[in-house]
Amino acid sequence: GAGVSQSPRYKVAKRGQDVALRCDPISGHVSLFWYQQALGQGPEFLTYFQNEAQLDKSGLPSDRFFAERPEGSVSTLKIQRTQQEDSAVYLCASSAGGLAGYEQYFGPGTRLTVT
Amino acid sequence: AQKVTQAQTEISVVEKEDVTLDCVYETRDTTYYLFWYKQPPSGELVFLIRRNSFDEQNEISGRYSWNFQKSTSSFNFTITASQVVDSAVYFCALSEAYFGNEKLTFGTGTRLTIIP
Repeated sequence: GAGVSQSPRYKVAKRGQDVALRCDPISGHVSLFWYQQALGQGPEFLTYFQNEAQLDKSGLPSDRFFAERPEGSVSTLKIQRTQQEDSAVYLCASSAGGLAGYEQYFGPGTRLTVT
Repeated sequence: AQKVTQAQTEISVVEKEDVTLDCVYETRDTTYYLFWYKQPPSGELVFLIRRNSFDEQNEISGRYSWNFQKSTSSFNFTITASQVVDSAVYFCALSEAYFGNEKLTFGTGTRLTIIP
């Protein structure tokens, strides 16, 4: 079966541009997560959804970051007015969960470079 | 607040040697989950194991084994007879178990290089 997919795999944006990153979770997975991974660091939590409900957005670094999952499947992470510090790999994960403890399956990530 | 510490930034061993990756965690919860993930050069995180806080039995899966000790808040990972394909960055992660909180808190990772 298909795993988690993300698009685009690479994105170069000029400072100030808006970007949209897409995540297709594993079919039927209830929970969807976004993480940010800076070079040489572990993934850092951004936000997560159970179905279409955004239950936790405590990790979003600023109000320039916005995520949605309107129909409880595909999710989009949008970054407005990109800054150089937004350069990172953005990872999406999904789990069958709805409860803590389910393993999360990760996509290949989108590498965002802001110039 | 929860925290995961992987003190070993990089480890290099010669192929066929055994190697242990350390993980120490902090949490105020009595119920929590611990995970190990592997991130090969391709970049995609691969799930290896999950442990809940009530199960302190060690686990072995082929060449991999995990040692969970609540008394020292550690969840260490050992690879026996290492192979070149084990070269990757390994992350330990923690999830506290209450409704509405499924997020993982990761350590900074240990880069393992197996020298042929």
